[in-house]
Amino acid sequence: SQKIEQNSEALNIQEGKTATLTCNYTNYSPAYLQWYRQDPGRGPVFLLLIRENEKEKRKERLKVTFDTTLKQSLFHITASQPADSATYLCALEDQAGTALIFGKGTTLSVSS
Amino acid sequence: NAGVMQNPRHLVRRRGQEARLRCSPMKGHSHVYWYRQLPEEGLKFMVYLQKENIIDESGMPKERFSAEFPKEGPSILRIQQVVRGDSAAYFCASSIGTSGTQETQYFGPGTRLLVL
Repeated sequence: SQKIEQNSEALNIQEGKTATLTCNYTNYSPAYLQWYRQDPGRGPVFLLLIRENEKEKRKERLKVTFDTTLKQSLFHITASQPADSATYLCALEDQAGTALIFGKGTTLSVSS
Repeated sequence: NAGVMQNPRHLVRRRGQEARLRCSPMKGHSHVYWYRQLPEEGLKFMVYLQKENIIDESGMPKERFSAEFPKEGPSILRIQQVVRGDSAAYFCASSIGTSGTQETQYFGPGTRLLVL
């Protein structure tokens, strides 16, 4: 069965630094991968989708890479701010293409 | 532009009672997904519905759980005879298109169920 792992539960960085979060997957070759943000007590909010034929995608201070050989996606937040503190989830579609499989998330804390 | 609406936001039930969770998708969306998030766990897919049809219920427990998305009205996730292990946050998401998860899924705020 497909497995998706986000390698750290928590990441603490200083304001202004770049945060890098990792998502690894096994037993599958997804056509795309998505990243979501979840704040405490709230539902996930979609951030970015990257397709298998895209090496990199950017949106403002966010950058996502997708390495299908390593079966890995990296999520970067540049010039991080305390408001970026949240849990970030990666997700990929299941083999049936009808559901998203989520990682457990990485909780990012940005201190000023 | 109202987003995905879920109610109630918090629900307390005693063991053996029934829980009904409601989800109104975004305007124009005809695809609804239910997920469950247990404490310290990731989001787990439960069921995918389109209007009047269950498309994929592979993540739904076989007993006590059911879901519907009628032609009119919200989608309902129903849990009969709740047990303490059902305590979790239940999230609904909706999407617009016909490409399954290739469309962005928009999540509601969730219903937090507590079973005493």
